Amino acid sequence: GAGVSQTPSNKVTEKGKYVELRCDPISGHTALYWYRQSLGQGPEFLIYFQGTGAADDSGLPNDRFFAVRPEGSVSTLKIQRTERGDSAVYLCASTQGGSNSPLHFGNGTRLTVT
Amino acid sequence: AQTVTQSQPEMSVQEAETVTLSCTYDTSESDYYLFWYKQPPSRQMILVIRQEAYKQQNATENRFSVNFQKAAKSFSLKISDSQLGDAAMYFCAYTSGTYKYIFGTGTRLKVLA
Repeated sequence: GAGVSQTPSNKVTEKGKYVELRCDPISGHTALYWYRQSLGQGPEFLIYFQGTGAADDSGLPNDRFFAVRPEGSVSTLKIQRTERGDSAVYLCASTQGGSNSPLHFGNGTRLTVT
Repeated sequence: AQTVTQSQPEMSVQEAETVTLSCTYDTSESDYYLFWYKQPPSRQMILVIRQEAYKQQNATENRFSVNFQKAAKSFSLKISDSQLGDAAMYFCAYTSGTYKYIFGTGTRLKVLA
């Protein structure tokens, strides 16, 4: 596609449930990022993929969060046993790679945990 | 650790006027890249302008320009001839050339008709 696509746009779930958030990056972009943006804050780094492998997952807050990118394109962010504090906008971005390639963002998924 | 600070939570500007958004950062690196991103209500972060630290010349993109002061670690964004469509959150971001981008907390820009 022309841009980074994220689905769903909005997700409401009950505390304790499992959710999956999907990101389809720009075709040909090898690098993919997940960020989390809480209300009134800037995006915070969660995880970075180069190809299929997670090159850095140091931003994942705890072991309830996991992300995969099995074929080097689409990525899924998975959150187990959701908590109200997980409520935020989850942003995905991709780049061609390279040290100064700007991030191309999707529209994000707003996750609300009730 | 690198940090990015935006000290103006909110700014207002009259349509057609000029406004400057501030950003400071802290790093021990000599080579790095700085960006300004715009986030309208649609939530999509849109690149406005970028600056390579090794370039002395300030970047310019149409009505948007930066004032990059490397010694002061300052990277402000100037928007000239402000338009209603410029209203959004603006985020300053830094990367040292690795993959990690660090964002500030943002400045909400209001454009008054």
